[in-house]
Amino acid sequence: GQQVMQIPQYQHVQEGEDFTTYCNSSTTLSNIQWYKQRPGGHPVFLIQLVKSGEVKKQKRLTFQFGEAKKNSSLHITATQTTDVGTYFCAGGLSGGSYIPTFGRGTSLIVHP
Amino acid sequence: EAGVAQSPRYKIIEKRQSVAFWCNPISGHATLYWYQQILGQGPKLLIQFQNNGVVDDSQLPKDRFSAERLKGVDSTLKIQPAKLEDSAVYLCASSLWGTLKYFGPGTRLTVT
Repeated sequence: GQQVMQIPQYQHVQEGEDFTTYCNSSTTLSNIQWYKQRPGGHPVFLIQLVKSGEVKKQKRLTFQFGEAKKNSSLHITATQTTDVGTYFCAGGLSGGSYIPTFGRGTSLIVHP
Repeated sequence: EAGVAQSPRYKIIEKRQSVAFWCNPISGHATLYWYQQILGQGPKLLIQFQNNGVVDDSQLPKDRFSAERLKGVDSTLKIQPAKLEDSAVYLCASSLWGTLKYFGPGTRLTVT
């Protein structure tokens, strides 16, 4: 079945450093979503990417969707302690019903 | 706009007991999802409803888990009998169509 893999599993950074998490699918995706989950909280939707090669920015966050629509990345510039949490990607297969499959997530720990 | 409501927020049961979770999606949202999130992992889809029909339940352990969405609004997820490995957060989510944007706060289940 469809698999969505994320790396790294954990990332420790000093406040002010950059952070990137990568998401790879075994199959072509129709679109991909990114979520943030704070410790003890529920996933919060950040953004959706639909087009091949798409790049979207939200303040210090940059999201990319690969040309083949099988991979994606989230880059945070100059991390802050408020960025702490686990970042998940989720994607659905092209064609048919949209059934979101989540990656394992990347936990970001920011040291002040 | 009210969010996705779930109850209870926490539940502790002994193995072999039964438990039920309730979800009230955002008004008008046709698609409802139940996810299981084990500590340190990404959410795993258990069942997806479109109105009161099942879109996907391929990962639902049907020998012990059941779910229903009567009248295409509220939904109930039941586990009977519970096993230790069912300890997890059970997340309900809803969407109008397509993008999965809204999660409920989750029910944290501990099976002892």
